[in-house]
Amino acid sequence: NAGVTQTPKFQVLKTGQSMTLQCAQDMNHNSMYWYRQDPGMGLRLIYYSASEGTTDKGEVPNGYNVSRLNKREFSLRLESAAPSQTSVYFCASSDPPGQGEFFGPGTRLTVL
Amino acid sequence: DQQVKQNSPSLSVQEGRISILNCDYTNSMFDYFLWYKKYPAEGPTFLISISSIKDKNEDGRFTVFLNKSAKHLSLHIVPSQPGDSAVYFCAANDNFNKFYFGSGTKLNVKP
Repeated sequence: NAGVTQTPKFQVLKTGQSMTLQCAQDMNHNSMYWYRQDPGMGLRLIYYSASEGTTDKGEVPNGYNVSRLNKREFSLRLESAAPSQTSVYFCASSDPPGQGEFFGPGTRLTVL
Repeated sequence: DQQVKQNSPSLSVQEGRISILNCDYTNSMFDYFLWYKKYPAEGPTFLISISSIKDKNEDGRFTVFLNKSAKHLSLHIVPSQPGDSAVYFCAANDNFNKFYFGSGTKLNVKP
């Protein structure tokens, strides 16, 4: 039982490049989330998905897109990376929603 | 503007003593509050939670207190152990699908 897995663990991009962060959970959770963590800012919600086939914006959605591919997988895409998107990205899942999330290990992204 | 605030970036406590971590919030619609613990290079781990209909919830060495009138919650760890050294985040939930996190407090428990 792996919980929440994220790939890659580290990534360096140049400004303007695109990439997709992958997330998968094996706990049969309905809700999945993407956060970014920046120094002194805590975790900020980028997008969430309450169930398969639905996605909604969080606090800081600009510059990102998401896809809830199926119940297990929730990906985050940066179409044109910017240095302001340098951060640590965490994926999480929960069920029922609001009862405490399970987090993945994070992806450390640097945009040059 | 942050809706959940942790005003102490760090806290240092002697092993065996009580650690008290504080959190304030501004949104009176929050109805569920959580504490997470985070070690370096790992994702946060859910620790304990409390519903807005309660004012206290206890789980072993960890107790969370909620003061709705003051919009304040706190996490008490008694007794503190070196393994408790980590960053602690409080979080609040409004409609079951959105979580708002504080900026974290780094706890150092000295042996």
